[in-house]
Amino acid sequence: SYMLTQPPSVSVAPGETATITCGGKNIGSKSVNWYQQRPGQAPVVVIYINNDRPSGIPERFSGSNSGSTATLTISRVEAGDEADYYCQVWDSGTDHFIFGGGTKLTVL
Amino acid sequence: EVQLVESGGGLVKPGGTLSLSCAASGFTFSAFTMTWVRQAPGKGLEWVASITYSSNYMYYADSVKGRCTISRDNAKNSLFLQMDSLRAEDTAMYFCARVLTYNTDSEGWFVPWGQGTLVTVSS
Repeated sequence: SYMLTQPPSVSVAPGETATITCGGKNIGSKSVNWYQQRPGQAPVVVIYINNDRPSGIPERFSGSNSGSTATLTISRVEAGDEADYYCQVWDSGTDHFIFGGGTKLTVL
Repeated sequence: EVQLVESGGGLVKPGGTLSLSCAASGFTFSAFTMTWVRQAPGKGLEWVASITYSSNYMYYADSVKGRCTISRDNAKNSLFLQMDSLRAEDTAMYFCARVLTYNTDSEGWFVPWGQGTLVTVSS
């Protein structure tokens, strides 16, 4: 079955850039969505279809997807960005939605 | 405002049955694919099941296939998840979400999510 691999944790200082990767076989051929989940809250989509931002999500959030890796980039990181981040795709081969294991972003 | 409110969670013994509901408001429920996602305590997100807008297609994760049934009542703006033969590993917060689709009636992203309902399977 299709799998998505994320680093368990990423740490970054305020004002710096955080990069969270999502690896999968030929993931560049799929559309990747990213979710932010703060403690005790439901997830919120921050990027959809690789690099589109929903209204209300800061421009500091951006996405890219090519080859075997999709990337969520958060520029000028703020304390409020500290959360778990998940990538997600639709696998047409199995008709399953797939989530990555999640990455905990820590703002130092 | 688009809103999803889950209910029906609780404590159930292994092998038992539970039915979850999700009440939708603020959008045309009958036009959207809907989905259930769960999160075990301290763990990541796991997709459970999805149903297309007209109930033509239902999709299930391998971990619940044969034990869970997703359904909907478009007249009542409601989504359901019937869970049978529950196991300890089914213990999780269960979220419902609307699927914004592209290309097909299935592929898409989840927005918004409800706040979830907690299912605990324990003797």
